[in-house]
Amino acid sequence: EAEVAQSPRYKITEKSQAVAFWCDPISGHATLYWYRQILGQGPELLVQFQDESVVDDSQLPKDRFSAERLKGVDSTLKIQPAELGDSAMYLCASSAASGRTDTQYFGPGTRLTVL
Amino acid sequence: GDSVTQMEGPVTLSEEAFLTINCTYTATGYPSLFWYVQYPGEGLQLLLKATKADDKGSNKGFEATYRKETTSFHLEKGSVQVSDSAVYFCALDGSSNTGKLIFGQGTTLQVKP
Repeated sequence: EAEVAQSPRYKITEKSQAVAFWCDPISGHATLYWYRQILGQGPELLVQFQDESVVDDSQLPKDRFSAERLKGVDSTLKIQPAELGDSAMYLCASSAASGRTDTQYFGPGTRLTVL
Repeated sequence: GDSVTQMEGPVTLSEEAFLTINCTYTATGYPSLFWYVQYPGEGLQLLLKATKADDKGSNKGFEATYRKETTSFHLEKGSVQVSDSAVYFCALDGSSNTGKLIFGQGTTLQVKP
């Protein structure tokens, strides 16, 4: 069964350093999502791509976060500089399209700890 | 704006007990509703969904009915197993109609033998 791949699974960094997370969606999925899940809370959407275009990045802290999906396949989420409050699980999801009935499939996540 | 509220956890049950996890929502329009499950160390998996009022979603013995009059989507299972121990998230697709999911805070279920 096809899965969403994410790496690394765990990342520990110091405040003010740069970090990057990678996501490879299920083959053929046009829509890709990055969510942030703070411990004890539900995931919150950071950015949504349709192919290589950003559909929604209204909750992305653009002064320090950036995301790209250059060829409309895999995606990278970057934080520079990292802050203590960025410690969270970063989840990637993909779906065949962005319609209301299209199921989102989630990867295992990257757990970020900022010291 | 759109939001989802779940009952506080953790919920601790004995094996074979009846499970209810409450979920209510606030949304404009007619959202689709979802339950996702997150097992320890894993990503979220779709458990069930309902796309219109009075629809019942079901999977693996779990059920939830879309109640528009009470804006609720409570999760139920008649007989839980130890393997059901996980975090359960209620979610809706927001009024933006882009597929963006809005999640509740999650409810931890622990089932003891």
